[in-house]
Amino acid sequence: EVVMTQSPATLSVSPGERATLSCRASQNVNTYLAWYQQKPGQAPRLLIFGASTRATGIPARFSGSGSGTEFTLTISSLQSEDFAVYYCQQYHNWPPLTFGGGTKVEIK
Amino acid sequence: EVQLVESGGGLIQPGGSLRLSCAASGFAVSSNYMSWVRQAPGKGLEWVSIIYSDGSDLYIGGSTHYADSVKGRFTISRDNSKNTVNLQMNSLRADDTAVYYCARDRHPLGDGYFDLWGRGTLVTVSS
Repeated sequence: EVVMTQSPATLSVSPGERATLSCRASQNVNTYLAWYQQKPGQAPRLLIFGASTRATGIPARFSGSGSGTEFTLTISSLQSEDFAVYYCQQYHNWPPLTFGGGTKVEIK
Repeated sequence: EVQLVESGGGLIQPGGSLRLSCAASGFAVSSNYMSWVRQAPGKGLEWVSIIYSDGSDLYIGGSTHYADSVKGRFTISRDNSKNTVNLQMNSLRADDTAVYYCARDRHPLGDGYFDLWGRGTLVTVSS
């Protein structure tokens, strides 16, 4: 099973600032990596797939990078609606499909 | 409108059974890989099960997989006539307590990530 580890657990950022979230895989997952955003009481929403491709309707301020075992989600200028929990997920070696533990982006 | 709507959650005693249903609209569940993903209260996401599309390879179409934590207790199935995906949950335990989401794979032949999610249904296992 591929274990996904996200850091930090919580990130405090001021609106308008840049946020950088990390995700590490326990083994090589190439670029088979997705990012999701989840707001309280809502279902997750797909942001990024293929490590760096934005899903339909996702603003350009969201960008993904990385390959192999190290990945980054960057939000270039945080908007109020971006404060949420973010999860990474690998889909290279499955089953099982595995998610990271999440990073909560909160207002500083 | 393309959407997924889960139902069937509720309060159930340990050892009991529950059947969740996910009704799809705007697309055919038979044409997509469909998964269940759960989230325990205050916790992260955990993939539970997947059923392959009918359009998969001749030998694997309709195949299913499960997380080790539910293998032998949960069964995923599909009713093409009703356009639903179901999750039969038996021998429920307290650690099965979670919101259960139905999710559609982005690619019809199953890439393994999800572009459409339902709003979820809460399952609480408690005496």
